[in-house]
Amino acid sequence: SQQGEEDPQALSIQEGENATMNCSYKTSINNLQWYRQNSGRGLVHLILIRSNEREKHSGRLRVTLDTSKKSSSLLITASRAADTASYFCATDRRETSGSRLTFGEGTQLTVNP
Amino acid sequence: DVKVTQSSRYLVKRTGEKVFLECVQDMDHENMFWYRQDPGLGLRLIYFSYDVKMKEKGDIPEGYSVSREKKERFSLILESASTNQTSMYLCASSLFVGNQPQHFGDGTRLSIL
Repeated sequence: SQQGEEDPQALSIQEGENATMNCSYKTSINNLQWYRQNSGRGLVHLILIRSNEREKHSGRLRVTLDTSKKSSSLLITASRAADTASYFCATDRRETSGSRLTFGEGTQLTVNP
Repeated sequence: DVKVTQSSRYLVKRTGEKVFLECVQDMDHENMFWYRQDPGLGLRLIYFSYDVKMKEKGDIPEGYSVSREKKERFSLILESASTNQTSMYLCASSLFVGNQPQHFGDGTRLSIL
């Protein structure tokens, strides 16, 4: 299976609820990044967490990283309809060159008004 | 603000044609990337470049080539388009130094008939 697998594949919640998405990976990393993609558009970078960091916050976003379990989670608090999008994790793997990223297949988040 | 521009949002070509997809970034980034995105497969790296006239194969380079004559421009070339190259193509750029996010264009949805 792929490096960088998101779970769940799809998530549907009500506005105001929290959304949690998980990502697992297989090899050692330099960093892990989360991106958002609105339908038919390019990806937008949300947050980068380095391998020596355990938690990072940005506004309503909270990312955790557990390198012993090779997993990360993205928490969006107090969700809004505008958060509806696909969310991807991407790993910058140590064995690859040039800061290339390996993306997972994404989680489709739907926030219902 | 960071800007990655892809020349076309939608493109329709015929089987056997030579197709050029253009990408320009205005951030003086060293790294540039070409991905394709297909349902259920996520983003897959086709080629990337970390300097002018330099290129490296990604995970799925077959049937594609690239050109980087100037730092700001990275072109993806489909030598002889085939129907299995119908896809969403995304260009991205980043700084050469480590632990940097990638900045994406809005994508080109390419249909090969």
